Amino acid sequence: GNSVTQMEGPVTLSEEAFLTINCTYTATGYPSLFWYVQYPGEGLQLLLKATKADDKGSNKGFEATYRKETTSFHLEKGSVQVSDSAVYFCALIVNDMRFGAGTRLTVKP
Amino acid sequence: GAGVSQSPRYKVAKRGQDVALRCDPISGHVSLFWYQQALGQGPEFLTYFQNEAQLDKSGLPSDRFFAERPEGSVSTLKIQRTQQEDSAVYLCASSLASSGALTDTQYFGPGTRLTVL
Repeated sequence: GNSVTQMEGPVTLSEEAFLTINCTYTATGYPSLFWYVQYPGEGLQLLLKATKADDKGSNKGFEATYRKETTSFHLEKGSVQVSDSAVYFCALIVNDMRFGAGTRLTVKP
Repeated sequence: GAGVSQSPRYKVAKRGQDVALRCDPISGHVSLFWYQQALGQGPEFLTYFQNEAQLDKSGLPSDRFFAERPEGSVSTLKIQRTQQEDSAVYLCASSLASSGALTDTQYFGPGTRLTVL
């Protein structure tokens, strides 16, 4: 079946550190890939997406590249801020949307 | 404009009670999705509507779960004879998806936290 596996948290970083949250997927067909973010007390928001191999999604300094050869969609940011503290979910769509379990990121000043 | 809204935000039910959870999608959004999110987990797909048509209900965990969207706008998720394992946050999302493309951005509501005692 279609599924997403993402890096377990929690992840704690200092401000301005480099962030990587790993995400790999298993899918039949050609999925579209997403990163969603959930800030404390808020609903899920789309952060970025990529719909075909080698596409790079980017938003708010975050980037992820759709790698078909490694079935991965790792999330990166060069310099995190305290305001990036949230739970990040990797997801895919083939016939329906499948989410990973989420990775909690805490950024300390 | 307003985002996706859900009500109630919190619901406590005694085991065996029926509950109804409401979702108001963004005006004009054709597609509507329901998800169940257990504590510490990612959302899991329950069901999907395009207008009033329920196109996929493969994620509904049992026949106690029923969803409807009779006029293609507001949707209600009903859970009959609630059990403790139904305790979760129920999320609703909507998307424009006028062409039926599931890859259209989904906009999520704040969720309803259901606790079954």
